[in-house]
Amino acid sequence: EAAVTQSPRNKVAVTGGKVTLSCNQTNNHNNMYWYRQDTGHGLRLIHYSYGAGSTEKGDIPDGYKASRPSQENFSLILELATPSQTSVYFCASGDGWGPVAETLYFGSGTRLTVL
Amino acid sequence: TQTVSQSDAHVTVFEGDSVELRCNYSYGGSIYLSWYIQHHGHGLQFLLKYYSGNPVVQGVNGFEAEFSKSDSSFHLRKASVHWSDSAVYFCAVKTGYQNFYFGKGTSLTVIP
Repeated sequence: EAAVTQSPRNKVAVTGGKVTLSCNQTNNHNNMYWYRQDTGHGLRLIHYSYGAGSTEKGDIPDGYKASRPSQENFSLILELATPSQTSVYFCASGDGWGPVAETLYFGSGTRLTVL
Repeated sequence: TQTVSQSDAHVTVFEGDSVELRCNYSYGGSIYLSWYIQHHGHGLQFLLKYYSGNPVVQGVNGFEAEFSKSDSSFHLRKASVHWSDSAVYFCAVKTGYQNFYFGKGTSLTVIP
């Protein structure tokens, strides 16, 4: 019944390699987000989307691309992975926008290690 | 840019104790506040939110939070904690059409 599903759960990549993290939501929410979580930093926003075909840069977009081919799917792409991108990545969908109170629904996360 | 401060990185209490997890923010405009809980190895889950109206809001599992404009705070409270409340708690702030900003989290340990 999980409404936001991320894959893979764990990923080991080599420096310079390409990594794609996938996210699927069945909430029919327009808004989707990619965050990374690092000790001492909390959650930081990488990219987000308002709907199919749209992607926007968040607070730390450098080294990442995003793709939203459909309402349900939102991918995070690391074209040239670096060890500094080792982290836990969370995808979320949101049920509102603007001044309307919004609730985020998170996936279980992807733990990425770049060697 | 607004900031969210959770002053306690770690809080340890005994089962049955009350607990307050602090959240302070810096922003002067219309603001939307929420709390999320993260159990080990899982994603964040929504607990409660405040946008307007009664400054004391109720959430799931007996949690409540109180908004104070004068103190720029949105502290989370629970009257009697259970061992299953052990988790990391995140305060989040959203203003207008901006995105969420999360605090660094408070790790709550409840000793049975």
